[in-house]
Amino acid sequence: NAGVTQTPKFQVLKTGQSMTLQCAQDMNHEYMSWYRQDPGMGLRLIHYSVGAGITDQGEVPNGYNVSRSTTEDFPLRLLSAAPSQTSVYFCASSYSGGPYGELFFGEGSRLTVL
Amino acid sequence: QKEVEQDPGPLSVPEGAIVSLNCTYSNSAFQYFMWYRQYSRKGPELLMYTYSSGNKEDGRFTAQVDKSSKYISLFIRDSQPSDSATYLCAMSGLQGAQKLVFGQGTRLTINP
Repeated sequence: NAGVTQTPKFQVLKTGQSMTLQCAQDMNHEYMSWYRQDPGMGLRLIHYSVGAGITDQGEVPNGYNVSRSTTEDFPLRLLSAAPSQTSVYFCASSYSGGPYGELFFGEGSRLTVL
Repeated sequence: QKEVEQDPGPLSVPEGAIVSLNCTYSNSAFQYFMWYRQYSRKGPELLMYTYSSGNKEDGRFTAQVDKSSKYISLFIRDSQPSDSATYLCAMSGLQGAQKLVFGQGTRLTINP
């Protein structure tokens, strides 16, 4: 059972570079989201999607872009990387996204921006 | 001020001890309360969830919610070294998983 798969697991970028973090789930979940985790800040929601073709902003969306063309995939794009985007990024999915919609997380992508 | 406050620890206790982890919150619209456990270098996984006020027990784990005080707790009885992890509280209003707000997480170590 693959669950939520994130790639790459580690990445180093230079300031100004762009890249895409990939996220795929095989559970047929409608809801998918991206969080970033920083020391002392907990998990903060970047963007989320309630189904193919529908996305919305979370708490910290600036500098990130998302799209959802299929149910399975939800990539996160960094448009012009900045050192403030150094973080661990988690993709999560849920069957419904509603109350008690348990979030299933990937193992994380660790990004360093120099 | 953060909507959800959680002492980041670290917390270190001997094996067999009772552990108490706590979060406070400021948004009275929160109705759904969860605890996630995160092992080192892994993603969080749901441990327990409760709705509104009251207690919920699952094996060695008990979750408590006191909405009047805006305070939630997780108790671990007979703690084991395998319980060593970071514990994150999370809560939401009617939108549920769509708009979960997480605490900072408490790093817990159980010493054999």
